[in-house]
Formats: sequence, structure tokens, C-alpha cells
Amino acid sequence: DAGVIQSPRHEVTEMGQEVTLRCKPISGHDYLFWYRQTMMRGLELLIYFNNNVPIDDSGMPEDRFSAKMPNASFSTLKIQPSEPRDSAVYFCASRAGGETQYFGPGTRLLVL
Amino acid sequence: GDSVTQMEGPVTLSEEAFLTINCTYTATGYPSLFWYVQYPGEGLQLLLKATKADDKGSNKGFEATYRKETTSFHLEKGSVQVSDSAVYFCALIRSGGYNKLIFGAGTRLAVHP
Repeated sequence: DAGVIQSPRHEVTEMGQEVTLRCKPISGHDYLFWYRQTMMRGLELLIYFNNNVPIDDSGMPEDRFSAKMPNASFSTLKIQPSEPRDSAVYFCASRAGGETQYFGPGTRLLVL
Repeated sequence: GDSVTQMEGPVTLSEEAFLTINCTYTATGYPSLFWYVQYPGEGLQLLLKATKADDKGSNKGFEATYRKETTSFHLEKGSVQVSDSAVYFCALIRSGGYNKLIFGAGTRLAVHP
């Protein structure tokens, strides 16, 4: 079975540019999570969805960040405009009815 | 608030040595506890979990026991291999239908031949 799929795997962009990260959850999973991993702050939950509806976005750092889930098989995390401090690894995870979350391979973002 | 504290790394061991990575937590109620592993360049994988006091999670030779009295969930392995080199994260989810995984800072393990 395919796991959580994220794209791109690596992204290098310049400050001020828009960045869009993509995630395809495991089929049948009704929860989707976006995390950010940095050396300074570790792993942080940014937002999560249940049945395509955003439930908790309290971890989204500021208005420059937005996330959508237009259907059960696709989600995006957008940063506009991007800043160097947004450089991090962004993970998507999904889960079904249990507690175990399954993580994607991550997108490594570098903002110059 | 809820939190997880892990021993700082890196932990450097020789192959076949005994491994312990300490993890303690603070949480309301009776959380579920997890160990995730992150190999270089990859996402996190669930290694093991325990959902109630005195439960022991185990997988791939790793074990951890949910100790409510000491609020701990220490990870152990009797004989590590070079392939175990990775970053290990302890995490919890608060009981009562919460969905937010709270992670520790991670502990890097390096195993040398």
C-alpha cells in the first residue's frame, strides 16, 4: 500500500516567493496533519483536518501560512510570502480511527 | 500543559551494546505514549506504543513500558545494530479524543561497528 505522499521532496526558493507544499494521505484515512520540524523548535503541529474540515489551526505561525483540503485525497500548505525563517522540513501525516499517525517523507524547504 | 522530555543526545554506542533512551512526560489524565523513529532523510515511523499503565510496547527488539507512577516510557534494546542509527522521538496523545501528538525533542542514536 502506498503511504503518505508529499511533493516536492525539496524546495529552494527566494524570500518573498509563494511556496505550495502538497500531500496525499493514505486512502481511507479521515484525519490529516501538517507538522513543521526545525532544529530550534523540534516538531510542531501546524494544523489538522478531519473529513476535509480544518479542526485546529492554532499552530499556524501567522497569516502568511494557509492550508486547504479540497477533497479526501489532497491537501496543500501554502506560504505567501515566504521568509528565510520558514526554512524547515514540513511533514504531512494521516490516520484513520485509531491514534497512530502515519507520516510522509517530508518536504525540505529552504528560503534564501 | 502537556509535555515530553527526552534525554539529550547524541547517544553513541558500539554494535551489540545495550540501549536506553529516557523519556518522561507531563499530561492530564492517562495519555497514550509512542516512540517514533526517523531514519536519515525520511519521515517518522511508529516504532511502538502503549495505551495504558503497565502496558509494554515492543517492536524490532525495542521495548518500552508505560510507568504511570514515574510518568516514564523509557526505550530499551538489548543489542543495537548499526542499522538502528536514527533519531528517536517520544510522544504522547492526551486521553479523551484529543488528536494532537506532543513530541519530545528527539534523541539521536549513532551505532558504530
